[in-house]
Amino acid sequence: QKEVEQDPGPLSVPEGAIVSLNCTYSNSAFQYFMWYRQYSRKGPELLMYTYSSGNKEDGRFTAQVDKSSKYISLFIRDSQPSDSATYLCAMSAQAYGGSQGNLIFGKGTKLSVKP
Amino acid sequence: DSGVTQTPKHLITATGQRVTLRCSPRSGDLSVYWYQQSLDQGLQFLIQYYNGEERAKGNILERFSAQQFPDLHSELNLSSLELGDSALYFCASSVDYQGTDTQYFGPGTRLTVL
Repeated sequence: QKEVEQDPGPLSVPEGAIVSLNCTYSNSAFQYFMWYRQYSRKGPELLMYTYSSGNKEDGRFTAQVDKSSKYISLFIRDSQPSDSATYLCAMSAQAYGGSQGNLIFGKGTKLSVKP
Repeated sequence: DSGVTQTPKHLITATGQRVTLRCSPRSGDLSVYWYQQSLDQGLQFLIQYYNGEERAKGNILERFSAQQFPDLHSELNLSSLELGDSALYFCASSVDYQGTDTQYFGPGTRLTVL
């Protein structure tokens, strides 16, 4: 079993839809959870960063962490064509990878938002 | 634009060859990370340098090596290349080696081994 599992999609939704992206993980030591967005031919950029369990909201984006189920989610409200990208979850046992620099990434879910 | 630059953008080479990828971190960032992204393995951490010293190692092959120079730019050297080394190689930088600072990713170098 891989440490982090993420459905690769692709996921296609109409503009304005609510999008739900998910990852599961097996390492109970993970405490820091991130979502990165990667546009085609670009490097990943950090979208959301959460610690332990709970919710975090930033504009149209909400990140949820359920450590008891080892499950994290990213919700995108009122999705826009500009949200079309690959979304990668990442997690670490230390803050931002800490001195180990060791972020473990999911393989990414490709999202397409149709106008 | 993250402020991290990587050269070259594309590299095409043959099996058995050696290549060098270059990364310049954001101004003020002391940490540099190298990642490999392939379709089957996803994004994998290779190695981290902080202010010229190696800080952490991930899934880096012995054929690969890296260094960070006094001006903080970093180079990733890939030798005895195999077809399976074809991938996107990303560099990221951050201010510190631990704590709450974000890793900023460069645009990547696409390596094709024929």
